[in-house]
Amino acid sequence: TQLLEQSPQFLSIQEGENLTVYCNSSSVFSSLQWYRQEPGEGPVLLVTVVTGGEVKKLKRLTFQFGDARKDSSLHITAAQPGDTGLYLCAGNSGGGADGLTFGKGTHLIIQP
Amino acid sequence: EAGVAQSPRYKIIEKRQSVAFWCNPISGHATLYWYQQILGQGPKLLIQFQNNGVVDDSQLPKDRFSAERLKGVDSTLKIQPAKLEDSAVYLCASSSWNQPQHFGDGTRLSIL
Repeated sequence: TQLLEQSPQFLSIQEGENLTVYCNSSSVFSSLQWYRQEPGEGPVLLVTVVTGGEVKKLKRLTFQFGDARKDSSLHITAAQPGDTGLYLCAGNSGGGADGLTFGKGTHLIIQP
Repeated sequence: EAGVAQSPRYKIIEKRQSVAFWCNPISGHATLYWYQQILGQGPKLLIQFQNNGVVDDSQLPKDRFSAERLKGVDSTLKIQPAKLEDSAVYLCASSSWNQPQHFGDGTRLSIL
């Protein structure tokens, strides 16, 4: 069974600070996705990383896929209250249509 | 484009009762997924359909859970009889080949 470990589980910081969320596994994934989920809603895709070492930027969010495709990180610069939410990493071990293996998520609170 | 539609949004039943959830995927999406998200955890894949055929149901508790997608479009997930540990949000997602999954807002099930 493939597992994705996310850390930290909970993070509360002040507006303007930087933060990094980690997603680690002992298994290799063909691709890894980051989702953001708000209460009462389904997960919304932020980014997909496919190539080992790949770095993608989405405004103040920077996503990195490990060289061995076993881990990933999400870095947020100058966090804002609108960034508050549950951040989930999810791995796809086979083809693009396979079901996803999710981590437990990181609950992020940005205080004004 | 219209998103993934799920109903009902909330359901409260007593243990040992039956319950059914409905999902209408994004038009043209051949692949449909059902996930279970227990409070404080990431979603867990229950079953994956490709058109009206089952691709993966390895994590579906088949003694009480069943799902169908008879015409390759809408899908229903049923639990009979429900147990206390089935309290969760049930998420439906759909995708076209090799494209990211789009999630509905889920059905929140509470078992009393």
